[in-house]
Amino acid sequence: NAGVMQNPRHLVRRRGQEARLRCSPMKGHSHVYWYRQLPEEGLKFMVYLQKENIIDESGMPKERFSAEFPKEGPSILRIQQVVRGDSAAYFCASSPPEQIYEQYFGPGTRLTVT
Amino acid sequence: SQQGEEDPQALSIQEGENATMNCSYKTSINNLQWYRQNSGRGLVHLILIRSNEREKHSGRLRVTLDTSKKSSSLLITASRAADTASYFCATDKGSARQLTFGSGTQLTVLP
Repeated sequence: NAGVMQNPRHLVRRRGQEARLRCSPMKGHSHVYWYRQLPEEGLKFMVYLQKENIIDESGMPKERFSAEFPKEGPSILRIQQVVRGDSAAYFCASSPPEQIYEQYFGPGTRLTVT
Repeated sequence: SQQGEEDPQALSIQEGENATMNCSYKTSINNLQWYRQNSGRGLVHLILIRSNEREKHSGRLRVTLDTSKKSSSLLITASRAADTASYFCATDKGSARQLTFGSGTQLTVLP
């Protein structure tokens, strides 16, 4: 059973470009979470999704950030018009319906905005 | 301090010694979890302790939870160089699934 997959592992974007981060949850997991980690800090919750539904987006910046988890395919975190402050590691986690508090994390996508 | 604040920020010990890290939080919780993160990697789940539990063991790990003091400790016994990593505690409130992480303890185990 493969773990949580994220791609790309590293992404470099110029200011103003769009960044798309992908996350495939573990098999059988229907809940996906996105977190952001700034250097030397802990992870900060961004958004929680189930298939085709955003359940909690209280940690998402109001502008430029969006997330989706379609019926088919991976979850996508999209950042439009990136700025230098968006540079961070973005982690995706998934959990199965029956163990809702144990989240399994992917390796992360390191976004660098130049 | 933030919900889920670890102490100390950094810890350096010799191989074979025990390492103790502490975590304090502010609001009531449902569960508290400990994760490990190797440099530049994702998080690995170590152990979950529920709010009605006081102590839990897993291999060389021992976690305690004191809800009256809103604190938890992670003890790693007989440490190894491979234990070198950052350790984070994370809490959830039950009604919301989001985890709230502290800023972590950087553990260095010297061979």
